[in-house]
Amino acid sequence: DAKTTQPPSMDCAEGRAANLPCNHSTISGNEYVYWYRQIHSQGPQYIIHGLKNNETNEMASLIITEDRKSSTLILPHATLRDTAVYYCIVRSAGYTGANSKLTFGKGITLSVRP
Amino acid sequence: GAVVSQHPSRVICKSGTSVKIECRSLDFQATTMFWYRQFPKQSLMLMATSNEGSKATYEQGVEKDKFLINHASLTLSTLTVTSAHPEDSSFYICSARGATDTQYFGPGTRLTVL
Repeated sequence: DAKTTQPPSMDCAEGRAANLPCNHSTISGNEYVYWYRQIHSQGPQYIIHGLKNNETNEMASLIITEDRKSSTLILPHATLRDTAVYYCIVRSAGYTGANSKLTFGKGITLSVRP
Repeated sequence: GAVVSQHPSRVICKSGTSVKIECRSLDFQATTMFWYRQFPKQSLMLMATSNEGSKATYEQGVEKDKFLINHASLTLSTLTVTSAHPEDSSFYICSARGATDTQYFGPGTRLTVL
């Protein structure tokens, strides 16, 4: 079972920031928050991940609350090409154990409108 | 960096035949590779995990004799769907994980069994 909950869908206007929420209230201390996205008929694309500090890269920013029970993925200037299903996944570090695998939930469908 | 390729991107075969799908990590060594399956309008389901040089570990409900996985090198894993039937028609996606502990996904293979 996925350990995260996400709203099923949201939309935003092109050029505006898209803030995608994720709840992971049962996250363990050694579990990271990963975000991937899947554009229709393609494999998932890695976006960003973090443990407890906020993270930023060329694609997005990840804001994790202090209690780590929720996080927000921010796409600062959404474009039409950002329309996709976004998956928030918690995963423990390391190479062994069931929790070290990526388990996909239903994700959130982001629709960017012109 | 972190590019994973799959071949073929799409295949159509007759019922009863076997189909081999290749997954390659192009610019990193993948100690672990994963195979997922995705049916229309559903999320990705993990089928199996393979470590280089070891037997694959299959998820519950996945038939190991039907879905043969070989991970003979640090850059190549193959999935063979044996005696394929129409219910095996799906989108098969591989992913690879190396020293950075982040999973990167291939573009997927669309299998249609007639």
